[in-house]
Order: sequence, then structure tokens, then C-alpha cells
Amino acid sequence: AQSVTQPDIHITVSEGASLELRCNYSYGATPYLFWYVQSPGQGLQLLLKYFSGDTLVQGIKGFEAEFKRSQSSFNLRKPSVHWSDAAEYFCAVGGGGGADGLTFGKGTHLIIQP
Amino acid sequence: GEEVAQTPKHLVRGEGQKAKLYCAPIKGHSYVFWYQQVLKNEFKFLISFQNENVFDETGMPKERFSAKCLPNSPCSLEIQATKLEDSAVYFCASTPVGWGDTEAFFGQGTRLTVV
Repeated sequence: AQSVTQPDIHITVSEGASLELRCNYSYGATPYLFWYVQSPGQGLQLLLKYFSGDTLVQGIKGFEAEFKRSQSSFNLRKPSVHWSDAAEYFCAVGGGGGADGLTFGKGTHLIIQP
Repeated sequence: GEEVAQTPKHLVRGEGQKAKLYCAPIKGHSYVFWYQQVLKNEFKFLISFQNENVFDETGMPKERFSAKCLPNSPCSLEIQATKLEDSAVYFCASTPVGWGDTEAFFGQGTRLTVV
């Protein structure tokens, strides 16, 4: 069965500092990987996705993520965070098999310190 | 439209009452998915549709939950005889061709509170 682990429940980062959010997945075949952001009271917004090809993917809002098959990881990074980045971040994996449901991690709550 | 529209935004039901949630996918999207998010934590997949056909319902608590996607109507998720543990935000998402090649668009969610 597929699964996603986000080891950090909370992360606190100073504004302007770099960020890395960890995501490890378990999936039997080639995974489709996603990072979503959820601001308070809002729905999910897709930051970026990996389906195939270049393992370093660029997303919106200055985020990027790197797929490392050998480590079963898909960590999210940003070189310099802004106060508006404070939100809940979810990593998800899917099989690309049409309408299979995505499996989400439990999320990482990002706090930005002034 | 260009967004997934979920109604209502908030729904309060007494324990044992019925709750019905609606989702209008983006026009032209053939796939619809329902997720349940409890306590702002993980998303639990409930059910997916390809057009009006159920594709995967492995996440549905079948005794009380049912869902439909009929032509020319919003999709619906219905909970009969709600329980306190059904309190959650229910998200709907749609994609044009499934996950494989494109992004899924999520609605803003319906917050169900069972009291």
C-alpha cells in the first residue's frame, strides 16, 4: 500500500531564511508526487508536481522540490521564505492510474518568525 | 467555470441527521474526487468518479455514506444519520483526465459540524 511520511509536524523558520520540508513516500511503482499548500480556512493549492523527467521541479511562489528515487524522498525547498508562506504543507503520492485517490501525508505546519 | 465549487461552505447537523454536500467540478473535467480532512490533518480519500461512474470507492464508509455524479448536475456526497466523528472538512477535486498527466483542482471545502 502506498504511504507518505512527513516527519516534521511543525517547523519554525525566520523570515528570509531557507526552508526544506521533508517528504518520504512508499509506492510500488513509479510515483506521481505532489506538494500542496493549505492556508487557514482555505482549500488546497498545488505548489508543484513530479510525474517524470527532470528530478528537480520548479513550482509556484519560488518553491522547488527534488525527487530522489534512491531515498524515496521528495523534499520541498525555498531559498528565502516570506511571512506569507506560513501555512500547512502537504505532500501526496498517486499512481497516475486514472482516478486512484491520492495518499496524503499528515502535513507540516510552517511558522515564520519575524 | 474555472474553479471547483463546493456548497455549502458550512453545514451544522445534529447527530443522526442527514447531511448533503455538493460539488460542481470544473467544466470539461471528467474525474471527481472526494476527500475528508479531520482536525486539519491528513486527507482521507473517500471516492472517485469517472464521469457518472464510480471509479474507486475504497475509502467510503458504505453504511452511511453515498455519493453520486449525475450528468448536468453537481456531484453530491450524502451522509445518512451523521455521527460526531463525521465532523470534518470535505474537499472535492476534479481533473480532466485523471492524475496522470495533469493537476487536480481542489474546491474550498465544506466544513461539516455534527453536534
